Amino acid sequence: DTEVTQTPKHLVMGMTNKKSLKCEQHMGHRAMYWYKQKAKKPPELMFVYSYEKLSINESVPSRFSPECPNSSLLNLHLHALQPEDSALYLCASSQDGRGAEAFFGQGTRLTVV
Amino acid sequence: GESVGLHLPTLSVQEGDNSIINCAYSNSASDYFIWYKQESGKGPQFIIDIRSNMDKRQGQRVTVLLNKTVKHLSLQIAATQPGDSAVYFCAENSGGYNKLIFGAGTRLAVHP
Repeated sequence: DTEVTQTPKHLVMGMTNKKSLKCEQHMGHRAMYWYKQKAKKPPELMFVYSYEKLSINESVPSRFSPECPNSSLLNLHLHALQPEDSALYLCASSQDGRGAEAFFGQGTRLTVV
Repeated sequence: GESVGLHLPTLSVQEGDNSIINCAYSNSASDYFIWYKQESGKGPQFIIDIRSNMDKRQGQRVTVLLNKTVKHLSLQIAATQPGDSAVYFCAENSGGYNKLIFGAGTRLAVHP
């Protein structure tokens, strides 16, 4: 199984809502990532978890809150988002360490209204 | 031909031709590089990778070249097919553990 599964595929939320994005992998990978991608732009790294601990936070606003409950799951909790946060949110996983291929999910298309 | 503007640069090729997509990376300390293909509405898909102790690596119909002197990476696709039409990103493992950073991307358009 070389799949990273993200749910939901699409999400529309108001600026006062709280929602969560979910990501799951069963490849035994110990590094998991959140990326944000705007249209016609490359994915931008947001967070990296290594062995369920947050190892990289790329100065992401606190309205985005990541969580890694176990080695297979990664969540991104959303609260009080702005319309400019609308984007494709991608989850990825890899073997831990430098020089490891990252596998990506299909993403969650988020629209903030 | 190739065009650069406000949007993604686009490389247009005829089916059956060879394609070369270029990428400049930023961090001279980066030691691992990946090319990804992203089709519309999908997540990035791994194509090929290369480590900094290599200059060239070949896969099926694809070759990656690395020039560390000028911090340049290229992806060559042989006998380009319509199914190769997508956006191609290079990514570098930059400046730390598990920190994979993407380049700007190039759209490849294959015409019959």
